[in-house]
Amino acid sequence: DQQVKQNSPSLSVQEGRISILNCDYTNSMFDYFLWYKKYPAEGPTFLISISSIKDKNEDGRFTVFLNKSAKHLSLHIVPSQPGDSAVYFCAASGDTSGTYKYIFGTGTRLKVLA
Amino acid sequence: NAGVMQNPRHLVRRRGQEARLRCSPMKGHSHVYWYRQLPEEGLKFMVYLQKENIIDESGMPKERFSAEFPKEGPSILRIQQVVRGDSAAYFCASSPSLTGTYSYNEQFFGPGTRLTVL
Repeated sequence: DQQVKQNSPSLSVQEGRISILNCDYTNSMFDYFLWYKKYPAEGPTFLISISSIKDKNEDGRFTVFLNKSAKHLSLHIVPSQPGDSAVYFCAASGDTSGTYKYIFGTGTRLKVLA
Repeated sequence: NAGVMQNPRHLVRRRGQEARLRCSPMKGHSHVYWYRQLPEEGLKFMVYLQKENIIDESGMPKERFSAEFPKEGPSILRIQQVVRGDSAAYFCASSPSLTGTYSYNEQFFGPGTRLTVL
């Protein structure tokens, strides 16, 4: 039972354009969401997070949008840079089994073309 | 300020052997989490520990797997009698305190240990 889904395994975007990565979840008890970036042979690096009391959080080139009614969140990267090429994981927490237990999606591989 | 350290980075074991994976959390962090990533999958929670305490091991297989975080030294994930299905990347994360909605503390991940069982 995949509670956090990233339905696009890969995405290619031209440098300077916007990258939009999507994530859907099924558990309405989730109330904290995060995005991590992962390069090959490295651990995931925290990018940005959002609490369910907000619908948008922005940090530099990265913005996360949360649509609770649709159980959907997205990560926008503007403008995209070649160094953004990596695998992006969304994660959720907050269900009754423990707020510390991050449930990860399967990841989306972003390739930014120069 | 060094990040989360994991060693070894790569570990090869034959079926039936034991695997020991070590994790040193970031300085000042007292909460450690272990995750496993199988090929083409996301990271899956295994266990959450504080110093000398296992808080939640609900994601860990009931047999052959154990974890500890002693008062001194790194956290250890131990896999006895490894099988081919244990081949995966094992990531350790740490945080200064409990993570989640009301603390807004993220988990910081180490580089992982890639276990290969022959």
